[in-house]
Amino acid sequence: GNSVTQMEGPVTLSEEAFLTINCTYTATGYPSLFWYVQYPGEGLQLLLKATKADDKGSNKGFEATYRKETTSFHLEKGSVQVSDSAVYFCALSDSSASKIIFGSGTRLSIRP
Amino acid sequence: DTGVSQDPRHKITKRGQNVTFRCDPISEHNRLYWYRQTLGQGPEFLTYFQNEAQLEKSRLLSDRFSAERPKGSFSTLEIQRTEQGDSAMYLCASSNREDTEAFFGQGTRLTVV
Repeated sequence: GNSVTQMEGPVTLSEEAFLTINCTYTATGYPSLFWYVQYPGEGLQLLLKATKADDKGSNKGFEATYRKETTSFHLEKGSVQVSDSAVYFCALSDSSASKIIFGSGTRLSIRP
Repeated sequence: DTGVSQDPRHKITKRGQNVTFRCDPISEHNRLYWYRQTLGQGPEFLTYFQNEAQLEKSRLLSDRFSAERPKGSFSTLEIQRTEQGDSAMYLCASSNREDTEAFFGQGTRLTVV
């Protein structure tokens, strides 16, 4: 079945460091791919998305490119801030769009 | 407020009791989802409605769980004869068509003691 695998956390970085959180997926058809973020004490919110191969999603300095050949959707940011500390979830929407399937999440902590 | 609303935010119940949660989706959204999230894990899909029709249920949804969306607007999730393993955050989300984002509510945290 469809699934998402993302790198385990926690990930701890210093402010202004480069961030990569790896995500790979298994799916039939052509899923849409998402990164959701959960800030402390808040609900899940969409960070960015890509709906077809080679699309790049971007928001708040974060980027991820839909790579069908490697079935990946890695999240990157060039210079992280303390305010980026949160849990990040990679997810896919299956081709029938009946549900979104989430990875297990990666906790990111940024040191000042 | 145009977001997804869930009620209550927190529920503590004794093992064996029944509980019911409510979700009010974004008004123009016809798709509604329920998820369960335990500590350190991603949300796990429970069930999905398109309008009032329940189109898919996860194997996670045992016979003690039932969900309804009677008029295609708000939805309820009931857990009968709660067990300690039911303790989790129950999330509701809605969307308006395929391949668009789902908007999540703040969740209902259930603690079974």
